Amino acid sequence: DIVVTQSPDSLAVSLGERATINCKSSQSVFSSSNNKNQLAWYQQKPGQPPKLLLYWASTRYSGVPDRFSGSGSGTDFTLTISSLQAEDVAVYYCQQYYNTPRTFGQGTKVEVK
Amino acid sequence: EVQLVDSGGGLVQPGGSLRLSCAASGFTFSDHWITWVRQAPGKGLEWVAHINQDGSERAYVASVRGRFTISRDNAENSVHLQMSSLRADDTAVYFCTRGHYGLDVWGQGTTVTVSS
Repeated sequence: DIVVTQSPDSLAVSLGERATINCKSSQSVFSSSNNKNQLAWYQQKPGQPPKLLLYWASTRYSGVPDRFSGSGSGTDFTLTISSLQAEDVAVYYCQQYYNTPRTFGQGTKVEVK
Repeated sequence: EVQLVDSGGGLVQPGGSLRLSCAASGFTFSDHWITWVRQAPGKGLEWVAHINQDGSERAYVASVRGRFTISRDNAENSVHLQMSSLRADDTAVYFCTRGHYGLDVWGQGTTVTVSS
């Protein structure tokens, strides 16, 4: 199984400041069949199901604000919130869909400092 | 409105069985993979199983393989997760989700509690 590890486990950022979350997979999730990284990012607020933010590591899902961006390739990826808003307080997860089981990272809790 | 509605959760004794259902609406159900994801209390997300559009491809996480079976009925726009030999560590909220490359629609979740 591919192990996906996020860092940090939690972070506190001031409103308007940048938040950066890292995601590392135990093996490359880049697929040569479509030249894409098989990685997604989700946001989960308390009491709610997760919401898809990004797929193919950097493609923003419909309706997701452009302050959310993704980067990286192979085994190392980053989710960046360019200017943290109060409504961005949540737990964020990355997930690889390179193979099964389609493993998630352990989550990163983002709070306001 | 594109929607998935999970149901079927409840309290079950260790060793027991439960069948979860997921009803889809607002989209062409037979065009999409469906995945079950679970979340134990206070924990992160765990991918459980998925099924392709016509049911010919299924996959499971190792911890449920041989105990859980995912199936779908495209005529009824529904997916089911038959769970047997349930254990305490199966206690979780189970989410039905749509997608194969990124899970873009989620049900609200149904709670399964395995306890005597």
